[in-house]
Amino acid sequence: KNEVEQSPQNLTAQEGEFITINCSYSVGISALHWLQQHPGGGIVSLFMLSSGKKKHGRLIATINIQEKHSSLHITASHPRDSAVYICAVRRGAQKLVFGQGTRLTINP
Amino acid sequence: ETGVTQSPTHLIKTRGQQVTLRCSSQSGHNTVSWYQQALGQGPQFIFQYYREEENGRGNFPPRFSGLQFPNYSSELNVNALELDDSALYLCASSLSGRALNEQFFGPGTRLTVL
Repeated sequence: KNEVEQSPQNLTAQEGEFITINCSYSVGISALHWLQQHPGGGIVSLFMLSSGKKKHGRLIATINIQEKHSSLHITASHPRDSAVYICAVRRGAQKLVFGQGTRLTINP
Repeated sequence: ETGVTQSPTHLIKTRGQQVTLRCSSQSGHNTVSWYQQALGQGPQFIFQYYREEENGRGNFPPRFSGLQFPNYSSELNVNALELDDSALYLCASSLSGRALNEQFFGPGTRLTVL
């Protein structure tokens, strides 16, 4: 079993729908990151969380440390949100452990 | 624009060859981490350099080695290339090795080993 599990692995939705991507982890962490990766490979950091909730535009990320669970929400989804969304947890100072990613496709 | 750059963007090598990948960190960042991302998988941590010293290593063999220079740019060297080394190699820079500092990723180098 991977230390970081994401669900779903693939998600297709219509423009405007509310999107939720989940991340569960099995180890103690110091922080959790949500990342976005577009075709071609470049990764953009969306959020870094150690507790509670953060919001940036249409994106909301929450974390429950006791339940070892985080969610990424996208409101009013748009085709340009289509990408792979990756959850990564920080263990200690050096190492990020990544989930396998969730491939999101938003159709017009 | 993250400011982290990598070169080259694409590279094709044959089995047994050696390769050097380069990363320029964002201005002011003193820590560089390298990751390997196989097709369809999440990235895997290779190692991290902080102030020119290796500061943590993942489960990769010694033929994966690195350097960090005084200007905090970094190289990843892979010797005796194997077919399974074909992947996207990502570097990320941050301000220090501390846990809560955000990492900024470069665009990656896609390595194909034939």
